[in-house]
Amino acid sequence: NAGVTQTPKFRILKIGQSMTLQCTQDMNHNYMYWYRQDPGMGLKLIYYSVGAGITDKGEVPNGYNVSRSTTEDFPLRLELAAPSQTSVYFCASGLGGDGYTFGSGTRLTVV
Amino acid sequence: KNQVEQSPQSLIILEGKNCTLQCNYTVSPFSNLRWYKQDTGRGPVSLTIMTFSENTKSNGRYTATLDADTKQSSLHITASQLSDSASYICVVSEHIPTFGRGTSLIVHP
Repeated sequence: NAGVTQTPKFRILKIGQSMTLQCTQDMNHNYMYWYRQDPGMGLKLIYYSVGAGITDKGEVPNGYNVSRSTTEDFPLRLELAAPSQTSVYFCASGLGGDGYTFGSGTRLTVV
Repeated sequence: KNQVEQSPQSLIILEGKNCTLQCNYTVSPFSNLRWYKQDTGRGPVSLTIMTFSENTKSNGRYTATLDADTKQSSLHITASQLSDSASYICVVSEHIPTFGRGTSLIVHP
């Protein structure tokens, strides 16, 4: 199994540009999450989804949007990139009660 | 506000030595507590998971303990190896996990 796959692995954006971070999982997990991790800090939840068609805001949702049209995919959209969004982004999936599987991360720099 | 506090923030030990990492939490209600290992530049990988009723769980050289009354957990690493150098993250959750900032462990030869 591929697990949780994130693309791209690295990206440099200019201020005001937009992009979509892709996340897909092949484990038929209902729960999916997007986190950001700033240097020396813990992971902060941006958005999460408990199933296809359902999304909810996490701790730091401003500046981001998500969609969950299928069980497998949970893309994260940045509409107007800002330097404060420079971070490493992790997607994760799980069954809710058990351990989570994380992707390998996307390192985003906004200049 | 739900919080997960980890200590120490960083730790340096010699190869072969044991160490213990601490996690205090205020998350309520509580479903389970997990310890993750995160290598530099990689996503976190699960080490242990404990429910409310469990007070210890082992995974090789890693042993996690949980005291749900005092809301404390510890991760004990036995006979450390160079490959144990990583960040160790405590995660407490209902269905939405709350992450600690992690303890950065460096194992020196």
